[in-house]
Amino acid sequence: GENVEQHPSTLSVQEGDSAVIKCTYSDSASNYFPWYKQELGKGPQLIIDIRSNVGEKKDQRIAVTLNKTAKHFSLHITETQPEDSAVYFCAVQSGFQKLVFGTGTRLLVSP
Amino acid sequence: DTEVTQTPKHLVMGMTNKKSLKCEQHMGHRAMYWYKQKAKKPPELMFVYSYEKLSINESVPSRFSPECPNSSLLNLHLHALQPEDSALYLCASSPGQGSHNEQFFGPGTRLTVL
Repeated sequence: GENVEQHPSTLSVQEGDSAVIKCTYSDSASNYFPWYKQELGKGPQLIIDIRSNVGEKKDQRIAVTLNKTAKHFSLHITETQPEDSAVYFCAVQSGFQKLVFGTGTRLLVSP
Repeated sequence: DTEVTQTPKHLVMGMTNKKSLKCEQHMGHRAMYWYKQKAKKPPELMFVYSYEKLSINESVPSRFSPECPNSSLLNLHLHALQPEDSALYLCASSPGQGSHNEQFFGPGTRLTVL
């Protein structure tokens, strides 16, 4: 089955810096790659996603890049703010309805 | 309405109790999911309902029993749980059509089994 690795497990940055989180996957047939943000005591929130027919997608301060050849994709957050502090999960669609999640990255943005 | 709602928010139960978790969405989605999330871990898929039929059961023990009464509602019936079943139980929904699998999660039910 699909195997998703996510790095780093924790990331501390200063407000205004950029943050990058990387994920690798194993199944070359996978074609949908969402990112979720989970704040304490809440459910995961879909923040951005990308499909295999594009290499990059941007939404304001958040961007995702995909390298299908290397089987890795990354989340980029620019101009980080304290409210960006949360746990971020990457995921890969495995089969029609199944998402396999990465292990999560705890992002801490210090003022 | 773009929300997935879950009740109750918190639940404490003994190992001999029977309880149910409820999930509701009014986005017209045709696929609904149950996930289990332990502390500091990613969500783990338990069940998927597609067009009100169970399509995926990830080898979940029979003490967890899902039910989909209609396209907007999803229940998870709990019976004879173990302390290790304590976790955050998340419901999600997705359009369920074509390759669109954007899953939207509810806030979860925090379950404690004594």
